[in-house]
Amino acid sequence: DQQVKQNSPSLSVQEGRISILNCDYTNSMFDYFLWYKKYPAEGPTFLISISSIKDKNEDGRFTVFLNKSAKHLSLHIVPSQPGDSAVYFCAATKRNTGNQFYFGTGTSLTVIP
Amino acid sequence: GAVVSQHPSWVICKSGTSVKIECRSLDFQATTMFWYRQFPKQSLMLMATSNEGSKATYEQGVEKDKFLINHASLTLSTLTVTSAHPEDSSFYICSARGLADPGVYNEQFFGPGTRLTVL
Repeated sequence: DQQVKQNSPSLSVQEGRISILNCDYTNSMFDYFLWYKKYPAEGPTFLISISSIKDKNEDGRFTVFLNKSAKHLSLHIVPSQPGDSAVYFCAATKRNTGNQFYFGTGTSLTVIP
Repeated sequence: GAVVSQHPSWVICKSGTSVKIECRSLDFQATTMFWYRQFPKQSLMLMATSNEGSKATYEQGVEKDKFLINHASLTLSTLTVTSAHPEDSSFYICSARGLADPGVYNEQFFGPGTRLTVL
């Protein structure tokens, strides 16, 4: 049972434009959400996170939006750069449960120069 | 951020042999380590959670006798794939979580992964 879903397996964006990656979850008990970036044959690296008490968190070019009622979060990258090309995973977790992460299936982002 | 290493990064073995993968937290003490596997174009799937000094907790569908996990110290966890078969070929990734108060979120730091190919 996939509790975290990323319905777009791939996304292509022109350099300088906005990239929007989407993620949906089913478990309303999740209270912390993260985005990870992953290059081939490497482990994921943490990008940005958001607590369920917030609806937006911004860090430089990266902004994560959370819509709890819709159980939806998105990652905005502005402006997109070729170096952003990678697979992006969203993850969700429930505090007080040993911090098990539930990952989405990933979205492969290609930023075209 | 904290550094987690994995060794080896890439291993090829014959069917029926056992392979050991090490996961080390280099600059912090990891009370909990997680083992994931990833098939091509698929998500990271949690296999098991290991706490230092205790038995690992395996996810449903993961054979504990096949995937032996040992977390003997606060900086080292090992995953041994016993009697490996071609279907065990995958990308195995560990993550480590440091000491934390109960109920307080703590970041997980991921290793670079190990590519296992079973011939």
